Amino acid sequence: KNQVEQSPQSLIILEGKNCTLQCNYTVSPFSNLRWYKQDTGRGPVSLTIMTFSENTKSNGRYTATLDADTKQSSLHITASQLSDSASYICVVRGGSYIPTFGRGTSLIVHP
Amino acid sequence: DAGVTQSPTHLIKTRGQHVTLRCSPISGHKSVSWYQQVLGQGPQFIFQYYEKEERGRGNFPDRFSARQFPNYSSELNVNALLLGDSALYLCASSFTSGSTDTQYFGPGTRLTVL
Repeated sequence: KNQVEQSPQSLIILEGKNCTLQCNYTVSPFSNLRWYKQDTGRGPVSLTIMTFSENTKSNGRYTATLDADTKQSSLHITASQLSDSASYICVVRGGSYIPTFGRGTSLIVHP
Repeated sequence: DAGVTQSPTHLIKTRGQHVTLRCSPISGHKSVSWYQQVLGQGPQFIFQYYEKEERGRGNFPDRFSARQFPNYSSELNVNALLLGDSALYLCASSFTSGSTDTQYFGPGTRLTVL
């Protein structure tokens, strides 16, 4: 069964600090992995997409890594801001049209 | 350009009723996908349509149905509502149905079943 597990479930950090969110998946075959940011009451917004051959991809203060051998990905947020408070969702696509979503990590950034 | 729009924003129904949710994709996008997001969980894939044809279906009962119109807008219908159908229903559009194509999500419709 295709699964995407994210950790931690929730995280509280102080403004300006860095943090790393984890995503482990069992989706096979693998096509791509996306990280989304979902603000409360809004739809998810894509941050990065990574395919099998990509190890690292950055989008401003967001850097995603992918290890296709161990089926792990991480999202690193640098110099966090209050606006980073949101849920971060890892989504993996395999050979079908059906994407598998993780439950998300809820990040709260305190001033 | 307007983003993905969904209507209504909120909806309250009672068990056994049916509901129709609507989605207008970004102009030029031909694919629409529907997702159900229960509070505290990630979205679950329900349907994907491309050029008015169903391209994918998630693990949902036949009470859930959808269609895509010639203008690429879409409707999600849910019959015989259950309490467990209470969720945020998200619509996402993309230019194609390709797996690497970025999906743009609407704000969602919050459905409450009493």
